[in-house]
Amino acid sequence: EAQVTQNPRYLITVTGKKLTVTCSQNMNHEYMSWYRQDPGLGLRQIYYSMNVEVTDKGDVPEGYKVSRKEKRNFPLILESPSPNQTSLYFCASLSSGDNEQYFGPGTRLTVT
Amino acid sequence: AQSVTQPDIHITVSEGASLELRCNYSYGATPYLFWYVQSPGQGLQLLLKYFSGDTLVQGIKGFEAEFKRSQSSFNLRKPSVHWSDAAEYFCAVGALGSTDKLIFGTGTRLQVFP
Repeated sequence: EAQVTQNPRYLITVTGKKLTVTCSQNMNHEYMSWYRQDPGLGLRQIYYSMNVEVTDKGDVPEGYKVSRKEKRNFPLILESPSPNQTSLYFCASLSSGDNEQYFGPGTRLTVT
Repeated sequence: AQSVTQPDIHITVSEGASLELRCNYSYGATPYLFWYVQSPGQGLQLLLKYFSGDTLVQGIKGFEAEFKRSQSSFNLRKPSVHWSDAAEYFCAVGALGSTDKLIFGTGTRLQVFP
């Protein structure tokens, strides 16, 4: 089954404790992206990757890092999480064939 | 500036009633337009998309949307709402030939009463 998976689905952590949210897709898509969803703000792009070893900032990259060492994985790294990063995070990959973004199930992060 | 506006934060309808969710966009390039639905606790599911051609687009779950370039709108409609349609709906826009970056509206929460 074609899908985008994220782990963990839920995470509660404390300020300053480094964490990684993993994202993996099995559709051989070149393009992947991270969004955060906040009430009243919709989804905003954090980082995206056009291909392996090619990443770039989206609209709200501050406080985040990403890496793309292999095509299927695109982890989101929070080196020193802060409470304003409490949010719902979505990973997505893009099918160049039908120009459709496929979203993962989301990761709900709470930083206390 | 590129933006998507969903003027209605929250809409309540009775089951069986018709539905229209509004979406207006501001985009310099020729837009690709999408509607996504997010059920409680779930990810985003694509309802429909418009790239070119017929401006009336049919999607899944009985939804349709009409692209009106003159009004910069892409409103979502359904003739008869079911209780299972209660969810949050997001309109999004991307550039023609470059759908890597989607700009989302702030969403419309739909509540359905029996």
